[in-house]
Amino acid sequence: AQSVTQLGSHVSVSEGALVLLRCNYSSSVPPYLFWYVQYPNQGLQLLLKYTTGATLVKGINGFEAEFKKSETSFHLTKPSAHMSDAAEYFCAVSAYGGSQGNLIFGKGTKLSVKP
Amino acid sequence: NAGVTQTPKFQVLKTGQSMTLQCAQDMNHNSMYWYRQDPGMGLRLIYYSASEGTTDKGEVPNGYNVSRLNKREFSLRLESAAPSQTSVYFCASSEGMGFYEQYFGPGTRLTVT
Repeated sequence: AQSVTQLGSHVSVSEGALVLLRCNYSSSVPPYLFWYVQYPNQGLQLLLKYTTGATLVKGINGFEAEFKKSETSFHLTKPSAHMSDAAEYFCAVSAYGGSQGNLIFGKGTKLSVKP
Repeated sequence: NAGVTQTPKFQVLKTGQSMTLQCAQDMNHNSMYWYRQDPGMGLRLIYYSASEGTTDKGEVPNGYNVSRLNKREFSLRLESAAPSQTSVYFCASSEGMGFYEQYFGPGTRLTVT
């Protein structure tokens, strides 16, 4: 069965600092991996996804993530944090096919950005 | 192009009351989902519909029923609300299952007293 672990329910960084949000997954088949962002009082929107091919994936708003099969990780990074990045971030895994085709979400990491 | 719409935005129910949450998408997507979001728990799948005419249970289906009315609409019904169902409910849709991006509605905040 698939699962996702996000390390750290809260992360605080200063504006301009590196953002690193950690995600580890468990999957019995080659995974499809996603990062979603949720701004206050809104639904989730896709930041980026990994399906196959290049392991470094670029997303919206300057975020990127690297799929590392040997470490079963898919950490999200951004070189320089902006105040507008303050939100909750969710990592998710999916395995295509039948009942395995749903998304399994991590518990989320709330990012705070200090001026 | 409204994307995924949900009604109502807010609802307060008394224990034992029933209600239906409505969801519609205008993207011609095949698959639709209902999630609940609780603090510290992430999103948990209640029910999903892989395609029109099919529905399946997710991780937390107890106390809920769903109807895929047509390709656009997917409703969630609480027959006898309980305080444990106090949550924020999100509907989502996608072109298909698996690796397709899910598009989320704005959510319904439900309180059961």
